Amino acid sequence: EAGVTQFPSHSVIEKGQTVTLRCDPISGHDNLYWYRRVMGKEIKFLLHFVKESKQDESGMPNNRFLAERTGGTYSTLKVQPAELEDSGVYFCASSQDSGVGRNEQFFGPGTRLTVL
Amino acid sequence: KQEVTQIPAALSVPEGENLVLNCSFTDSAIYNLQWFRQDPGKGLTSLLLIQSSQREQTSGRLNASLDKSSGRSTLYIAASQPGDSATYLCAVDSGGYQKVTFGTGTKLQVIP
Repeated sequence: EAGVTQFPSHSVIEKGQTVTLRCDPISGHDNLYWYRRVMGKEIKFLLHFVKESKQDESGMPNNRFLAERTGGTYSTLKVQPAELEDSGVYFCASSQDSGVGRNEQFFGPGTRLTVL
Repeated sequence: KQEVTQIPAALSVPEGENLVLNCSFTDSAIYNLQWFRQDPGKGLTSLLLIQSSQREQTSGRLNASLDKSSGRSTLYIAASQPGDSATYLCAVDSGGYQKVTFGTGTKLQVIP
């Protein structure tokens, strides 16, 4: 069974440009999460989808970040325009929703974003 | 607001030693706690998940314990190996929508 996949693995862009990160969750997982690790700091939650709906986007830093999950399958995270402080590793995770408890989150390999 | 702390930030041990990594959290009202490892340049690998109703979980040479009342979890690694060298992260699920709060991690180096 394929795990969570993310694309690209690494992106280098200049300040002011736009970048779109993609996450494909494990098939059948309704929950999809985005996290990021800014250099030297801890991993922080960005937002959570349940199917195609944004359940919690309290961690989104500002309106330069836009996440979508069309059809409740893969998700994209767009940064427009990118700033230097956006550099870091962006992780995606997914989990099942059994309705009877909190399930394990499975993480993708991350996308390393470098803004020059 | 949940805060998760991991001590020490870095640890270096000779091969074969048993070791304990610590994770502390401020809000004991949690749903579960996960331990991950992260290898340099790679993603997160889930090691163990402990539900709030459980006291410990074991997988191979790893044993994780959970004491909600004191806000602590430990990850015990038996007979450490050089391949265990990585950063170990704990993450606490206590939010309304399953978002987790990560600790800052412990960077472990096992010396051959």
